[in-house]
Amino acid sequence: DTGVSQDPRHKITKRGQNVTFRCDPISEHNRLYWYRQTLGQGPEFLTYFQNEAQLEKSRLLSDRFSAERPKGSFSTLEIQRTEQGDSAMYLCASRNGQGKTYEQYFGPGTRLTVT
Amino acid sequence: GDSVTQMEGPVTLSEEAFLTINCTYTATGYPSLFWYVQYPGEGLQLLLKATKADDKGSNKGFEATYRKETTSFHLEKGSVQVSDSAVYFCALRGGAGGTSYGKLTFGQGTILTVHP
Repeated sequence: DTGVSQDPRHKITKRGQNVTFRCDPISEHNRLYWYRQTLGQGPEFLTYFQNEAQLEKSRLLSDRFSAERPKGSFSTLEIQRTEQGDSAMYLCASRNGQGKTYEQYFGPGTRLTVT
Repeated sequence: GDSVTQMEGPVTLSEEAFLTINCTYTATGYPSLFWYVQYPGEGLQLLLKATKADDKGSNKGFEATYRKETTSFHLEKGSVQVSDSAVYFCALRGGAGGTSYGKLTFGQGTILTVHP
């Protein structure tokens, strides 16, 4: 396994701009999760994909946020019209839906700073 | 909804001291419980887990026991090392019939610093 990768690792943007993050899960993992982590807090769930289907979204995911996983492999998270409150670490995790290990493997995260 | 509460931090210990980080949870159904660790500059890593009541998870000298009667999953280590300095997160995954099936609900994290 090469692990979960995320790109970019850091993003600085001005308020009002759109940003897009990419997550590449471990290759055989069909389940993919996005979380957001603000300073001094634990990660908070944003959304979940099983293959290409988005099955669950948090109330934290406002209309400005959209996530896709078009071919059931990599995923993108887009934030439109960014606000300063969007500044956070965005984490992606994946797991194998087979078996009952339940372990989610996390990527290194994308740190977003909105100025 | 599901929630996880960790003891307030930060925690500062001397090398070889005993560590306890308290974690309690609220969940419907039969959750699985986890401890994740985040070393400086690195991503979240699973430290240990327990999937049913009375299970004990263990790894790298750390232990935690799933106590359903007290809804707790306290992390312990008998003798900490400087290399254990990190942020520790308690988390739960809701079981079937719960409200957070599939996703993880995290506590706020506890910063541990171990001095030589």
